[in-house]
Amino acid sequence: GAVVSQHPSRVICKSGTSVKIECRSLDFQATTMFWYRQFPKQSLMLMATSNEGSKATYEQGVEKDKFLINHASLTLSTLTVTSAHPEDSSFYICSSDRHAFGSGTRLTVV
Amino acid sequence: GENVEQHPSTLSVQEGDSAVIKCTYSDSASNYFPWYKQELGKGPQLIIDIRSNVGEKKDQRIAVTLNKTAKHFSLHITETQPEDSAVYFCAAIRDSGGYNKLIFGAGTRLAVHP
Repeated sequence: GAVVSQHPSRVICKSGTSVKIECRSLDFQATTMFWYRQFPKQSLMLMATSNEGSKATYEQGVEKDKFLINHASLTLSTLTVTSAHPEDSSFYICSSDRHAFGSGTRLTVV
Repeated sequence: GENVEQHPSTLSVQEGDSAVIKCTYSDSASNYFPWYKQELGKGPQLIIDIRSNVGEKKDQRIAVTLNKTAKHFSLHITETQPEDSAVYFCAAIRDSGGYNKLIFGAGTRLAVHP
């Protein structure tokens, strides 16, 4: 079945720095990737939908300049959290479709 | 838009008992209903799904039922085991063949005690 590899699994960064999270589709081509954010004990909140070769579609309330999404190839989508603040600390998950989710990235901003 | 409500938020059962989690949806056009299991620190894993043209689907100890008229669907886990302990999410989507957005329920934290 479809496998999505997400890295890193954990990252700690200082306030004001940027962090990049990668999601790769290992055995298929993903023209679309979904990026979610999950706070402790809460459900998954869709942040944006990335489309290969075009601009991402952001959900209402998600700052596109803060959460930069790049989907330059059919096997790689990246989410960059820019100028990170402690309130950006969360669990970020990517998905190629309803079946294949990444393993998640725990971001802690100190 | 679609709204999915999930109950209960927490569920505690003894090993060997059954567990039932219920979800309701609002958009009658939704036609695909997956269930996910999420273990601590990991991404969600699809465990079973059902389409609107089917009323029930079973896979070993896991089953899902769908009532389109009432717009609710349920996850049934029989003979629960400690390794079933996790957070379970239901979701709904109007699957038109394109990449449509999943709408998730709030999740149910299931604890199976030995």
